Amino acid sequence: DIQMTQSPSSLSASVGDRVTITCRASQNIDNYLNWYQQRPGKAPNLLIFSASNLQSGVPSRFSGTGSGTDFTLTISSLQPEDFATYYCQQSYSSPLTFGPGTKVDIK
Amino acid sequence: EVQLVESGGGLVKPGGSLRLSCAASGFTFSSYSMNWVRQAPGKGLEWVSAISRDSSYIFYADSVRGRFTISRDNAKNSLYLQMNSLRAEDTAVYYCTSCSSAGCHKGWFGPWGQGTQVIVSS
Repeated sequence: DIQMTQSPSSLSASVGDRVTITCRASQNIDNYLNWYQQRPGKAPNLLIFSASNLQSGVPSRFSGTGSGTDFTLTISSLQPEDFATYYCQQSYSSPLTFGPGTKVDIK
Repeated sequence: EVQLVESGGGLVKPGGSLRLSCAASGFTFSSYSMNWVRQAPGKGLEWVSAISRDSSYIFYADSVRGRFTISRDNAKNSLYLQMNSLRAEDTAVYYCTSCSSAGCHKGWFGPWGQGTQVIVSS
């Protein structure tokens, strides 16, 4: 199975801050990496697919980069509604696996 | 509007069974592979099972293989998860989610339902 790790596991930031979350795969997954946002008590929501493609309706302050084993999710200017947990997920091979999540909360 | 609505969760004793349902609307259900993903209390997301558009391909996580059965009824726009021999560690919110039009493999999870809570406890 492909193991996914994320760093940091949590971070505190202020509105307007630039935030970067890192995801690493235990083996090459090309660009088959997706990012989801989950607000408390809600279902996950797709932000970025195939490493760098912004899902329709997602604000342009979200961006994704990377390929192979190392990926990043960047929020260019954190907004109040962005305080949530973010998960990466690989779709390169079964079983499809998620990272452990990065919780972004208010400083 | 795409909607996925799960139901069937509840409290069940260890060793018991539950059948989850997911009612889909707002898209051509029969054209998409579907999944169940779960989230234990305070934990991350765990993919549980996937089924192809015509049910010809079915996959399970090792943690549920042999105990859970995924199925679908395209005529009813519905996805199911039969859960047998339930264990305390199966306690979680269970989400229904579609795959992208590109599929699950080398694709992504599309719309998600709101989830249904399963609690396994004596």
